[in-house]
Amino acid sequence: GENVEQHPSTLSVQEGDSAVIKCTYSDSASNYFPWYKQELGKGPQLIIDIRSNVGEKKDQRIAVTLNKTAKHFSLHITETQPEDSAVYFCAAILNYGGSQGNLIFGKGTKLSVKP
Amino acid sequence: DTEVTQTPKHLVMGMTNKKSLKCEQHMGHRAMYWYKQKAKKPPELMFVYSYEKLSINESVPSRFSPECPNSSLLNLHLHALQPEDSALYLCASSQDWPFYNEQFFGPGTRLTVL
Repeated sequence: GENVEQHPSTLSVQEGDSAVIKCTYSDSASNYFPWYKQELGKGPQLIIDIRSNVGEKKDQRIAVTLNKTAKHFSLHITETQPEDSAVYFCAAILNYGGSQGNLIFGKGTKLSVKP
Repeated sequence: DTEVTQTPKHLVMGMTNKKSLKCEQHMGHRAMYWYKQKAKKPPELMFVYSYEKLSINESVPSRFSPECPNSSLLNLHLHALQPEDSALYLCASSQDWPFYNEQFFGPGTRLTVL
């Protein structure tokens, strides 16, 4: 089955700096890669996603890149702000096979942005 | 509107109690999910309903009983739970399953089993 590894587990940056979180996946057939932000006491919020036919996607200060050959994808946050502090989860989805359509999550990255 | 609502926000129950968690979405989605999330862990899939039919049951103990009364509502009935079942229970929905992937999560119900 699919396995998603996420690094680092914790990340601390100064306000205004950039933050990068990296994930690798095991099944080359995975074709959808969402990123979720979870603030304390809240449910995960979809912040950006990318499909396997695209190499990069941007939404204001957030970008995601995908390298299908290396089977890894990354979240980039520029000009970080204190409200970016949260736990970020990457995920992958297979669209065929026994686990089709199910999110396989990484273990999460706790991002702290210091003012 | 990409909102999934869940009630109650918090629930404390004894091991002999029966309670229910409720989830609602009005996005016209035809797939709904229950996840369990322990502290500092990612969500774990429990159940998937597609077009009001149970499509996935990830070997969840029978003390958890899901129900999908209609395409907008999802319930999780709880009975004879154990303290280790204490967790955040998340509901999510997507346009379809398995081929429409964007899942939107609710805020969760924080469950404590005494």
